[in-house]
Amino acid sequence: AQKITQTQPGMFVQEKEAVTLDCTYDTSDPSYGLFWYKQPSSGEMIFLIYQGSYDQQNATEGRYSLNFQKARKSANLVISASQLGDSAMYFCAMREKAGNQFYFGTGTSLTVIP
Amino acid sequence: DTGVSQDPRHKITKRGQNVTFRCDPISEHNRLYWYRQTLGQGPEFLTYFQNEAQLEKSRLLSDRFSAERPKGSFSTLEIQRTEQGDSAMYLCASSTSGGRGTNEQFFGPGTRLTVL
Repeated sequence: AQKITQTQPGMFVQEKEAVTLDCTYDTSDPSYGLFWYKQPSSGEMIFLIYQGSYDQQNATEGRYSLNFQKARKSANLVISASQLGDSAMYFCAMREKAGNQFYFGTGTSLTVIP
Repeated sequence: DTGVSQDPRHKITKRGQNVTFRCDPISEHNRLYWYRQTLGQGPEFLTYFQNEAQLEKSRLLSDRFSAERPKGSFSTLEIQRTEQGDSAMYLCASSTSGGRGTNEQFFGPGTRLTVL
């Protein structure tokens, strides 16, 4: 089974609107971390936000927030007030406490329309 | 220190040749990771070092691939007898260990390998 599933290959959003990028995960480890990365066309992976499995509150970092629903094993990224510079690939990732590797999803390509 | 650096940024080689890539992590980071990313996919884990010890290797890392981190600082990834299927972006990342577990990885710009 896939550890990380991103079901939206591509998304479009109007500038200044909010957008939600979906991510579901699969693990039996009670302790894990969830990450979102942005990859612009230049190729470099940029860390956006982190959510720990025991964190009580949803993580927020500026315009980024993570909608963490533990029972549903989902960790959706919400980008508020989209900007043209937000156009990029977005990857959800997970690291289990029991292991050292990160598992990445296949990504969602976000295009912000002016 | 400006982040993780990788060299070269691009490499074109002929099938059957050996190639070596270098990664310089953020200086205070003791963990170093190698990933491979093909078009339209997320990064796939290859191997992981904590200091100079290689602690985990993916089954993707065939015997043609070898990675080293001799002094716990920079790392090299060598691919022997390259095949066209090795064409991909090779990403290096580093992180700290311990702490509350955030330990986000900081990625380098990658080395794009093309095998002709």
